[in-house]
Formats: sequence, structure tokens, C-alpha cells
Amino acid sequence: IAGITQAPTSQILAAGRRMTLRCTQDMRHNAMYWYRQDLGLGLRLIHYSNTAGTTGKGEVPDGYSVSRANTDDFPLTLASAVPSQTSVYFCASSGLAGANNEQFFGPGTRLTVL
Amino acid sequence: GQNIDQPTEMTATEGAIVQINCTYQTSGFNGLFWYQQHAGEAPTFLSYNVLDGLEEKGRFSSFLSRSKGYSYLLLKELQMKDSASYLCAVMDSNYQLIWGAGTKLIIKP
Repeated sequence: IAGITQAPTSQILAAGRRMTLRCTQDMRHNAMYWYRQDLGLGLRLIHYSNTAGTTGKGEVPDGYSVSRANTDDFPLTLASAVPSQTSVYFCASSGLAGANNEQFFGPGTRLTVL
Repeated sequence: GQNIDQPTEMTATEGAIVQINCTYQTSGFNGLFWYQQHAGEAPTFLSYNVLDGLEEKGRFSSFLSRSKGYSYLLLKELQMKDSASYLCAVMDSNYQLIWGAGTKLIIKP
């Protein structure tokens, strides 16, 4: 693989269910990010990780958790999904966490919570 | 609070020039990014400005004025494939990107 992959591509989920969105990158990037994108709003940062073993909260972390056990993988878990979590979720990575490091995005996961 | 403003939608003609503006108010400034996003796809990087002035890259140029909290993306010789949303994002004092809602650019033949 080259770049960032996300799985699943799309998912319909019943409210209250637990769901993990997967993200894997093969660029050996240190920093990884999870965003959600909703119509009419900018991308909003959910959680981030500046390096393997560390994570931090973004703008909208409630209801979500992440882990960063290694450099390549950065899964996002919804412990008990709610309809307001219906969104398109993008995973991104950058070589370093900092100023001029462009972020590379995965193809996204379209999640619908009913 | 932090705020990034850009027009919701713009229309332009194939072969013409279009300027997409972005104004920002953020806690700190560590650079401004422009990304392109085609419908149903992921954002892709276009440009990065951290100093005042114009950065040119082929048909695309990006301008920054830090004192005015203002940037624009200039697209020349528009092609149909340039129909997309253009996202402005500012890196704040915590090195987190704050994103605008994006400008949907419609190109007409």
C-alpha cells in the first residue's frame, strides 16, 4: 500500500453500538490525526497523535477515543454511537507535528448512525 | 474564538482567472494552508504560506498578509477539472489546523 488507508469505506450503524474506524499509513509519519467533516462546517479535529505512544484531544473529542500503539496504525473508536456522530471521517498524517508539514489524508469513512 | 471565513460558493468560466479569499482570526499563527477537495474525495495539499507575499506554483498562486489576517488563492487558466472545494486552514499556536468550511468552485464551459 502507499499512503493512508481507511476502513470501512462506509458504514450504517445502530445507535448505541460500538464502532472502530481503522487507519493505517505506510509513510512512517510521526503525526496522525482524525477529523470529521460535516456539511457547511470545516474539518474538525477529533484526536491527534504527535508520535507513537502519545495522543491528544482535539476540538471535538467527546464520544471518541483513540490509541497509537505503533507508528502505522491510529484507530478511532466510538464507544456508544449517537446520531450526531453521523459524518465523514478522515484520517490524516504528517511527517512531523508542526508548522510547514502538510497533512496527507486517507479516503475517508462515511458513517451513518441511525 | 477562532474563525476562518471564506465564501461558500463561486462560479467562474473555463480559461478565466478566479480569486478565492480567506480571512482568519486565530490564537497564534504558524502558517496558512490551502487544500483542494473534489466531491467525495479526500483533501489534497495545494500550498503553504508563512511569510507575507505571493507563492506561485504553476497555475495556482497563494498570497498572505499576516497583518490583515488575509489570504487568497488565485487560479489561472481555469480547467473543468478545477471544479472542487478549496479549503483554507490556519495552523494555530498549538500547531493544530483550524479549517474554514471551504469554497465550492463551479467552472462553466
